Amino acid sequence: QQQVKQSPQSLIVQKGGISIINCAYENTAFDYFPWYQQFPGKGPALLIAIRPDVSEKKEGRFTISFNKSAKQFSLHIMDSQPGDSATYFCAASNPGSNMLTFGGGTRLMVKP
Amino acid sequence: DAGITQSPRHKVTETGTPVTLRCHQTENHRYMYWYRQDPGHGLRLIHYSYGVKDTDKGEVSDGYSVSRSKTEDFLLTLESATSSQTSVYFCAISHDRGNQPQHFGDGTRLSIL
Repeated sequence: QQQVKQSPQSLIVQKGGISIINCAYENTAFDYFPWYQQFPGKGPALLIAIRPDVSEKKEGRFTISFNKSAKQFSLHIMDSQPGDSATYFCAASNPGSNMLTFGGGTRLMVKP
Repeated sequence: DAGITQSPRHKVTETGTPVTLRCHQTENHRYMYWYRQDPGHGLRLIHYSYGVKDTDKGEVSDGYSVSRSKTEDFLLTLESATSSQTSVYFCAISHDRGNQPQHFGDGTRLSIL
């Protein structure tokens, strides 16, 4: 049972374009939604995270949009660069839980 | 990079043999986690530890055991490896539980033939 569904599985964007990755969750108790970026041969690294009391969080070119009623959240990468080419994972966790539930991942390629 | 070292980084072994993976941290974080990463499944939690000698099961714990005798070390053991356990294994650490960033090591690629 996959509690966090991520789409698309792969994405190709031109340099300078906007990359959009979407996640949907089922558990309404989730209250922490991080995004991780992973380069080949490396572990995932925390990129940005949001809690459900805000609808949007921006850090540089990266923005999380959160829709609590729809149980969806998304990552927007503005002005996408070839160096952004990586695999991105969304995740979610319950209050006080020790467990992060991950989406299946999106492989992003930014073409120069 | 968070001070997390996984060893070995690569291992090839045969079905039925025992395998132990090691995670070593220098951050003195209380929480440590073992995940496996498989295509299309993201990362799935195997076991985690919330202190020395304190461990609990995750989502995919069958066939795995863990031990934590020191704050800095968390071991993952496959008692009798099977081909379905071929995967990339990641260790992660966090300062506190739940809604806190988890920092990952660079993984161990394990192939079971």
